Amino acid sequence: GNSVTQMEGPVTLSEEAFLTINCTYTATGYPSLFWYVQYPGEGLQLLLKATKADDKGSNKGFEATYRKETTSFHLEKGSVQVSDSAVYFCAPMNSGGSNYKLTFGKGTLLTVNP
Amino acid sequence: NAGVTQTPKFQVLKTGQSMTLQCAQDMNHEYMSWYRQDPGMGLRLIHYSVGAGITDQGEVPNGYNVSRSTTEDFPLRLLSAAPSQTSVYFCASSGRDREAFFGQGTRLTVV
Repeated sequence: GNSVTQMEGPVTLSEEAFLTINCTYTATGYPSLFWYVQYPGEGLQLLLKATKADDKGSNKGFEATYRKETTSFHLEKGSVQVSDSAVYFCAPMNSGGSNYKLTFGKGTLLTVNP
Repeated sequence: NAGVTQTPKFQVLKTGQSMTLQCAQDMNHEYMSWYRQDPGMGLRLIHYSVGAGITDQGEVPNGYNVSRSTTEDFPLRLLSAAPSQTSVYFCASSGRDREAFFGQGTRLTVV
């Protein structure tokens, strides 16, 4: 099955700092790749996705590029805000068929201070 | 625009009690799943379903049952609650665009 190794947290940054959260995965075939975000007390919501090699997903200033050669999908943001404080999860999804099974990393807690 | 609705939001059970966590989605998604979230463990898949009448086990299925009689509903049953089942439970559904939509979660405490 799929597996994910995600950068250990917690990560604490000052506002406007640069963010990188590393994610590498193992998977059969060519999975779709996702980053989900969980704000305090809420469920997960999709942040961005990429479905094939070299695709770049982007949303709310966050970006991640599907790197097939290094099996990585690192999350970046050039200038974080206090409102970005949350837990971030990297997750590959099975490719093909109707089994949309996600495998989650352990999550990275990000705290952004003013 | 309800999305995925989970009930209840909070529940306290005594060891040995049974209960059902409800999950409903209104997006006509074929795929539904249940996860539990524990500190330091991320989300672990309990059971999933690729359509009405079809269910399968995930990573941590012991102590849980599911059924899928309709496309909309995917209840999770705890047969005999144990303290190890204290967790936050999330239901999710996905359609052909592969984006997973999550419910708000059920925080379960077993005493």
